[in-house]
Amino acid sequence: ILNVEQSPQSLHVQEGDSTNFTCSFPSSNFYALHWYRWETAKSPEALFVMTLNGDEKKKGRISATLNTKEGYSYLYIKGSQPEDSATYLCAFIDGTGNQFYFGTGTSLTVIP
Amino acid sequence: NAGVTQTPKFRILKIGQSMTLQCAQDMNHNYMYWYRQDPGMGLKLIYYSVGAGITDKGEVPNGYNVSRSTTEDFPLRLELAAPSQTSVYFCASSSSGNTIYFGEGSWLTVV
Repeated sequence: ILNVEQSPQSLHVQEGDSTNFTCSFPSSNFYALHWYRWETAKSPEALFVMTLNGDEKKKGRISATLNTKEGYSYLYIKGSQPEDSATYLCAFIDGTGNQFYFGTGTSLTVIP
Repeated sequence: NAGVTQTPKFRILKIGQSMTLQCAQDMNHNYMYWYRQDPGMGLKLIYYSVGAGITDKGEVPNGYNVSRSTTEDFPLRLELAAPSQTSVYFCASSSSGNTIYFGEGSWLTVV
């Protein structure tokens, strides 16, 4: 069983604060790393698909970086808003391209 | 676009009963997956399929069966339901390592 770890498990921040989370994954047999946003009572939705070492992706106030050599990815949220409250999942896709290994997620609560 | 559709959304089963969770996607994706999500445990892969006629076990396949007779459909069968199968089930599909699209989830309680 392949291990994908996310930290912290949960986070409470004040509105306007910037924050970041970590996803750690195996540094071998890498195909892609995905970030998903999962709101309560909804299904996860894709944020970023990252495939190359050094990739940096940005969508509005949210950005992500990827280091495949050391096996980690960071997700950053600048100026957190209450609507950013959700669980953020990362998924490691192995060399077959068809096996997704999800972390347990980081639960973010933004306090107004 | 319908995307990934799974039914039913909610179901209560008695111990020992059987049922099938239906899943259909209209994106012509080769890969389909069934996950279960337990509190604090993240998403665990039950079964997956890389194409019609091909299925493989994931991390937690015991107590479940799947079939993939068409590209669109990937039903999950629970035989002899047990309380340990109380969970939220998500069907998903993707195109070879690209973005995975999830259904809205099926909440199953076994009593």
